Amino acid sequence: DAKTTQPPSMDCAEGRAANLPCNHSTISGNEYVYWYRQIHSQGPQYIIHGLKNNETNEMASLIITEDRKSSTLILPHATLRDTAVYYCIVRAKGGGNKLTFGTGTQLKVEL
Amino acid sequence: GAVVSQHPSWVICKSGTSVKIECRSLDFQATTMFWYRQFPKQSLMLMATSNEGSKATYEQGVEKDKFLINHASLTLSTLTVTSAHPEDSSFYICSALRSGGGEKLFFGSGTQLSVL
Repeated sequence: DAKTTQPPSMDCAEGRAANLPCNHSTISGNEYVYWYRQIHSQGPQYIIHGLKNNETNEMASLIITEDRKSSTLILPHATLRDTAVYYCIVRAKGGGNKLTFGTGTQLKVEL
Repeated sequence: GAVVSQHPSWVICKSGTSVKIECRSLDFQATTMFWYRQFPKQSLMLMATSNEGSKATYEQGVEKDKFLINHASLTLSTLTVTSAHPEDSSFYICSALRSGGGEKLFFGSGTQLSVL
């Protein structure tokens, strides 16, 4: 799996948009970008994933650059409950392909 | 979303005993499951890939005789920590791969193991 680079921490005011960047400059053509988050002492929660088109669901939006070397996860209206470690991971589809976690970004949402 | 159930949530055991952790996919079949461990303030570390009906594939440095993995059905994988020692104390997390409709991994809620 390609490596990803994320800032170690970010702060965001409640109600504002949280934009979490991820660099994956060595991504391969068949690798998807996945985002997960982990709230303290819980299992990771799936947020969103995409290949090359921007994606949106009820939780977040994923913006992937045209060259696919970076992406941004957007939480449109962050709440205190969004405080968590966010992981950006690249992975090719297929049962044998692992999901390898990097160090992630600790997002702290504050009043 | 899909549900993965992991049991127990926490366990305390004496050194030298064995502990079994179960991971079930409740509403989908998972031919592949993964087991991770996580130490405090660190990221998840992949331990092994569990494939239904075949032997697990272990990551480098993970002792297969110590961490026994069984994936006997499409909805159940188990991890047994044999002869546990205090250094095995950790947060263990399983995940199940759901194919179709966009391949996604769903995670259990984790098991906190404390070995005394």
